Amino acid sequence: AQKVTQAQTEISVVEKEDVTLDCVYETRDTTYYLFWYKQPPSGELVFLIRRNSFDEQNEISGRYSWNFQKSTSSFNFTITASQVVDSAVYFCALSEADAGGTSYGKLTFGQGTILTVHP
Amino acid sequence: NAGVTQTPKFQVLKTGQSMTLQCAQDMNHEYMSWYRQDPGMGLRLIHYSVGAGITDQGEVPNGYNVSRSTTEDFPLRLLSAAPSQTSVYFCASSHKYSDEQYFGPGTRLTVT
Repeated sequence: AQKVTQAQTEISVVEKEDVTLDCVYETRDTTYYLFWYKQPPSGELVFLIRRNSFDEQNEISGRYSWNFQKSTSSFNFTITASQVVDSAVYFCALSEADAGGTSYGKLTFGQGTILTVHP
Repeated sequence: NAGVTQTPKFQVLKTGQSMTLQCAQDMNHEYMSWYRQDPGMGLRLIHYSVGAGITDQGEVPNGYNVSRSTTEDFPLRLLSAAPSQTSVYFCASSHKYSDEQYFGPGTRLTVT
């Protein structure tokens, strides 16, 4: 069975600090997808990134960056120079796929990390 | 495109009552799914569908029924609500070849 663990339940930082959210996953499949979602106080789920298991290239998008390491089954998320608007719950998720890469839309989520950025 | 819509936004039920949470998408997505979100547990998959007429159970299906008669709609039925079903419910859809899940705004359900 697949599992996603976000060890940090809550993180509190001061604006402009860098912060890393950890995500460790377990799966028996060789083909899978990893995701990060943001849930701001308004409650909606905002898609941030998707990475497939064959692409270990790290990604940077503005102040956001992601470090995918298959060797340690981790997919960590870093926010550089955090801002108050980054305050939210962040979820890491995993979707297993068949040999053809089809995942059928079934996600396994981590417990979420509550990030609070203080001014 | 309206994306994924869910109704109602809020609902209060008494134990034993039944109701249907509605979910619709206008993106012609093949895959649709229902999740519930509880504090400290993330989102958990209730039921999912890979196309009209095809549904299957997720991690926490007990107490819920689904059907998918059209590509657009995927309602979630609570036949006899229990306090343990107090939660926020999210519907999601995705294209067969994309894997990017589009989530609805959620329904906050309280069972007293």
